Amino acid sequence: AQSVTQLGSHVSVSEGALVLLRCNYSSSVPPYLFWYVQYPNQGLQLLLKYTSAATLVKGINGFEAEFKKSETSFHLTKPSAHMSDAAEYFCAVSEGSSASKIIFGSGTRLSIRP
Amino acid sequence: EAGVTQSPTHLIKTRGQQATLRCSPISGHTSVYWYQQALGLGLQFLLWYDEGEERNRGNFPPRFSGRQFPNYSSELNVNALELEDSALYLCASSRVTEAFFGQGTRLTVV
Repeated sequence: AQSVTQLGSHVSVSEGALVLLRCNYSSSVPPYLFWYVQYPNQGLQLLLKYTSAATLVKGINGFEAEFKKSETSFHLTKPSAHMSDAAEYFCAVSEGSSASKIIFGSGTRLSIRP
Repeated sequence: EAGVTQSPTHLIKTRGQQATLRCSPISGHTSVYWYQQALGLGLQFLLWYDEGEERNRGNFPPRFSGRQFPNYSSELNVNALELEDSALYLCASSRVTEAFFGQGTRLTVV
């Protein structure tokens, strides 16, 4: 069975500092991995996805994530935080290749200090 | 291209009533997912429909049900509403890989 664990329900960083949001997954097949962002009272927006191509994936708004099979991790990073990055971030996994159930982590709320 | 649309945006019901939520997927998408996002509980998988059939359901009681129509739109029904059903209900559609989400329906049970 697939699962996703996000370490840290709340992360706070200063504006301009590095953002690191952690995600570990479990999957019996090569996974498809995603990061989504949710702003208050809105739906989820796809930030980036890994689909077995390059292990370093670049997404929107300056975010990127690296797939590390040996560590079963897919951590999200951004070199310099901006106030507008404050939101809830969700990591997700699916079996890919065809429509399949997508499992989400519990989410990490990112706060940015001025 | 129109995104995933959900209606209504807000819904207020009293305990014991029934609620019906609707979702229109992106054109060409055959899979529809429903998630419940209650305060402090993250995204809980509810139901997954693909090609008109229920493919999987999460750990929710039978009073949560739904269906997918021939045009791939979907309906989520919640019977015998309880206060704990108050949440944001998100619908997503998918064709092959990633899911695209609607803005959600905020259900409040009073």
